[in-house]
Order: sequence, then structure tokens, then C-alpha cells
Amino acid sequence: AQKVTQAQTEISVVEKEDVTLDCVYETRDTTYYLFWYKQPPSGELVFLIRRNSFDEQNEISGRYSWNFQKSTSSFNFTITASQVVDSAVYFCALSEGANSKLTFGKGITLSVRP
Amino acid sequence: DADVTQTPRNRITKTGKRIMLECSQTKGHDRMYWYRQDPGLGLRLIYYSFDVKDINKGEISDGYSVSRQAQAKFSLSLESAIPNQTALYFCATSDLATSGGTDTQYFGPGTRLTVL
Repeated sequence: AQKVTQAQTEISVVEKEDVTLDCVYETRDTTYYLFWYKQPPSGELVFLIRRNSFDEQNEISGRYSWNFQKSTSSFNFTITASQVVDSAVYFCALSEGANSKLTFGKGITLSVRP
Repeated sequence: DADVTQTPRNRITKTGKRIMLECSQTKGHDRMYWYRQDPGLGLRLIYYSFDVKDINKGEISDGYSVSRQAQAKFSLSLESAIPNQTALYFCATSDLATSGGTDTQYFGPGTRLTVL
């Protein structure tokens, strides 16, 4: 069965610090997809990124970057030069094959202090 | 206007009452989902539907039912609400990936339900 572990529950940093959110996944499928979602204090869920198991290239989008490593079954998310607006709960999620059912981790609450 | 809307946004009800949460989308997606979020537990899938004639149970369907009235509408019902169904409920939609593989789900704003 698929599983997503976000071992960090809460992280607090000071603005402009870099911060990495860890995600470890388990799956028996060779084809799978990984996602990160952001849930700001307003409560909505915002899609950030999707990666498939065949593409281990790291991704960078502005201050956000993602490191996908199949060897360690990890899909970590780094925010560079964090800002107060980055304060949110961040979820990592996994789907296997084409079934599109998402399994979520428990989320990481990130607080960025001014 | 939002692509995925949920009504009501907040609801307080009493144990034993029947309640319906509604989800509508203008994204033209075929697939729709209902999740619940509990503090410290992440999101868990309740039901999902890949088209109007397709309904499937998710991880935690007991105590819930759904209706897919149209491509754009997917309702979640609690036939007899109980306090441990107090949670934040999300509807999501996705479209079958035309490029192969799985699809990306887009979420509504959520409905906060409290059962007293």
C-alpha cells in the first residue's frame, strides 16, 4: 500500500532563512506521481508541483525547489529566503499508476517569523 | 469566479441530523473527489467519481454517501451526523491526463463542519 511520511510536524524559521520540508514515500508501483500542496491560513489547498517517477530532475520555481531522489524514496521541498507569506501547512502526496487517488502525508506547519 | 465552489462554507449541526455538502465546478473536469481533513491527519479520501455513472468508495466511506448529479456537481451526504464527523471537507476535481499518467487534483475552498 502507498504511504507518505512527513516526519517534521512543525518548523519555525526567521524570515530570509532557507528551509527544507522532508517527504518520504512508499510504493510498490514503478509508475507513480508525487505532489506538493500548500494550505495557507485561509484554508484552501493550492497545488504547487507534480513529478512522475520517471523524471528525477530537480525543479526550481523562483524561491521554491524540489529534490526528487528515488534511491531514498524522497521528494523534498526547499524554500530559499523564506518570507512571512510562506507560512502555511505543506502537504506531500502520492498517487500510483493512473488511479489518481491521492495519499497525503500529515502535513508540515511552517511558520516564518518577521 | 472560483473554478471549484463548495456550499456551505461553514455549518454547525446536531447529532443525528442529515446534512448535505455540495460541490460545483466550472473546470469541465470529469473526475471529482471528496476528502476530509482532521488536525494532524492530513487529508483522507471519502468517495470519488470518474464520471457521472461512476461512484467509488475511498479510504473512509462509512457514514457517508454521495451523488453525482451532473458532470459539474458532486454532493456528499451525512445521513445521520455524529460528532467525530466534525472536520474540514474538501471537494477536488481533475481531468484524465491527456498526456498519459495520472491527473492533478484541484481543490475547492473547503467546508468546515461541526457536529454537536
